Formats: sequence, structure tokens, C-alpha cells
Amino acid sequence: GENVEQHPSTLSVQEGDSAVIKCTYSDSASNYFPWYKQELGKRPQLIIDIRSNVGEKKDQRIAVTLNKTAKHFSLHITETQPEDSAVYFCAASIPLDGSDMRFGAGTRLTVKP
Amino acid sequence: DAGVIQSPRHEVTEMGQEVTLRCKPISGHDYLFWYRQTMMRGLELLIYFNNNVPIDDSGMPEDRFSAKMPNASFSTLKIQPSEPRDSAVYFCASSFFAREYQETQYFGPGTRLLVL
Repeated sequence: GENVEQHPSTLSVQEGDSAVIKCTYSDSASNYFPWYKQELGKRPQLIIDIRSNVGEKKDQRIAVTLNKTAKHFSLHITETQPEDSAVYFCAASIPLDGSDMRFGAGTRLTVKP
Repeated sequence: DAGVIQSPRHEVTEMGQEVTLRCKPISGHDYLFWYRQTMMRGLELLIYFNNNVPIDDSGMPEDRFSAKMPNASFSTLKIQPSEPRDSAVYFCASSFFAREYQETQYFGPGTRLLVL
């Protein structure tokens, strides 16, 4: 089955700096890669996702890149703000069986004002 | 749409008691997932259903855990008997499968379970 590794486990940045979180996956059949943000005591919420037919996707201050050859994908947050502080999870999903989505262990991002 | 609905939001029980967690997926979604989240183990997939049928329950920790989905709009996760190590946040999520792509999973608010 799929195995997703996520680094770093904690990340502290100064407000306005960029933050990068990296994930690797093991199954080359995976083709869907969502990122979730989970604030303290709240549910994981999708912030951005990417499919295997594109290499990069941007949404305002958030971008995700995918390298299928190397089997890794990254989340980039620019101009970080204190409200970006949360735990971020990456995930990888294998197609056609509809569900085998595996989550990374999470990265706790702290943005210091 | 109200999103995925879970109840109760919080549950405190004593060891040995039966616990039932409930989930209502988003209307039209044909996949339903139960996850458990702890600090030590992160987000773990327990079981998932497709069109009300359990597909993979390999994540269910042991026989004390059982899940059902009697219809497209309701699922339960039951723990009997409960143990302190079952204390965690239990999330339900739903999605639909369109063409060849797995679509986004939407999470419910979670049930915070504490077993004393």
C-alpha cells in the first residue's frame, strides 16, 4: 500500500517569511495529492490539491508542486501570517479503488509575529 | 449543504462501556471514511464504505470496534467494550468518486472521546 512521509514535523517561521513542507510517497500509481490544514481543536480542511497531470498549482499565497519522477510534492506558503499557524497534512491517493488515501504525519507550523 | 455531520461532539465514558459514534455524510457522496486521530499515531484510517458496503476494515484496531452503514445517509462506529487507549478524536469524512479520480474528502467536526 501507499506510504507517505512528511517533513519537517515542526516548522517555525517569522511572519512574512515563506514556509515549505515536503512529502514523499511510495506508490507511483498515486495521482491525487491534497493538503489539509487543521487548526487546534478543528477538523482537517482542504486548502489545495493537485493531480498528477500537472506539476504546479497556485492559489494566492499557497502553492503546491509535484515531481512524479521523484515521487515527492511540496506545499509552499508565502508571506506567512500568524493565522497560518496550524498543523498541515499531506496525503496521496491511488486512483480507481476510490479511496486508498494515506496521510502524512503532519507538520506543526508556527508563524511568529 | 451542512457538510459532514457527526455526533456527539464530545463523549466521556467509563472503561467497559459501549460507545456509539454517528456520522451523516454529505448528500450525494458515495464514500464514507472513519478516521482516528491521536498525538502518537496521527490520522489513521479505520474503515471505509462505498455505496454503504464496507470495503476495507484493515485499519480497525480490534474486534471491539465495529462500523455499519445501513443507508447512504448514516453510519455508526461502535466500540464495545471501550478502553482508555481508545481515547482520541474520531473523524468521519465523505467523498464521491467521479470518472477516474478520487475526489476530495470532506471531514466532519470530529467526536472527541475520552474513556476513563
